[in-house]
Amino acid sequence: GAVVSQHPSWVICKSGTSVKIECRSLDFQATTMFWYRQFPKQSLMLMATSNEGSKATYEQGVEKDKFLINHASLTLSTLTVTSAHPEDSSFYICSARDKLRDRVYEQYFGPGTRLTVT
Amino acid sequence: AQSVTQLGSHVSVSEGALVLLRCNYSSSVPPYLFWYVQYPNQGLQLLLKYTSAATLVKGINGFEAEFKKSETSFHLTKPSAHMSDAAEYFCAVSDHNFGNEKLTFGTGTRLTIIP
Repeated sequence: GAVVSQHPSWVICKSGTSVKIECRSLDFQATTMFWYRQFPKQSLMLMATSNEGSKATYEQGVEKDKFLINHASLTLSTLTVTSAHPEDSSFYICSARDKLRDRVYEQYFGPGTRLTVT
Repeated sequence: AQSVTQLGSHVSVSEGALVLLRCNYSSSVPPYLFWYVQYPNQGLQLLLKYTSAATLVKGINGFEAEFKKSETSFHLTKPSAHMSDAAEYFCAVSDHNFGNEKLTFGTGTRLTIIP
């Protein structure tokens, strides 16, 4: 149980276009989802936290107008990178929490999406 | 602010040898601590976690970690390394104010297993 999927697993887009990444909890209700960014051979940096039905909370330094996050249902959150540029190329990972489970404070991670902007 | 420091960005051990990956934390409140493993081009998998219960925590794949408050450490160990243990390992600390359980990750340790 506690499976999180991401789609697509990798995407290549041209500079100036937008790309949407989906994060789904497959067998539980994700009341909270987190979006991380990971540069090659570096750690994960939290970008934002989203709670179902409310606006996402962005970390300092993350442009909310560039990285649009929508958590419209208990099983789906999306990250849209708008007007992508080569510096946005990275590995994006989502995670989800299930507050109904007894595993308090545990986040379940998706497999990640590799974005390359050309 | 909470933080974790992982000493050693790269660790190499021989197959069958002891694995020791170091993690020290800084926290103003009793921390929740985690170890995650990441295989290439994949997400993170939870190995084990400390949430203020037993100080010696056993996880999956034969890994365990001991919470030592006096040393502010949460080192990860495995008695006998296996080739499949080669991966990136991340220590993380949770800001466990209810409703805002953000994870702060260390910089990671790449474990290489020597045949």
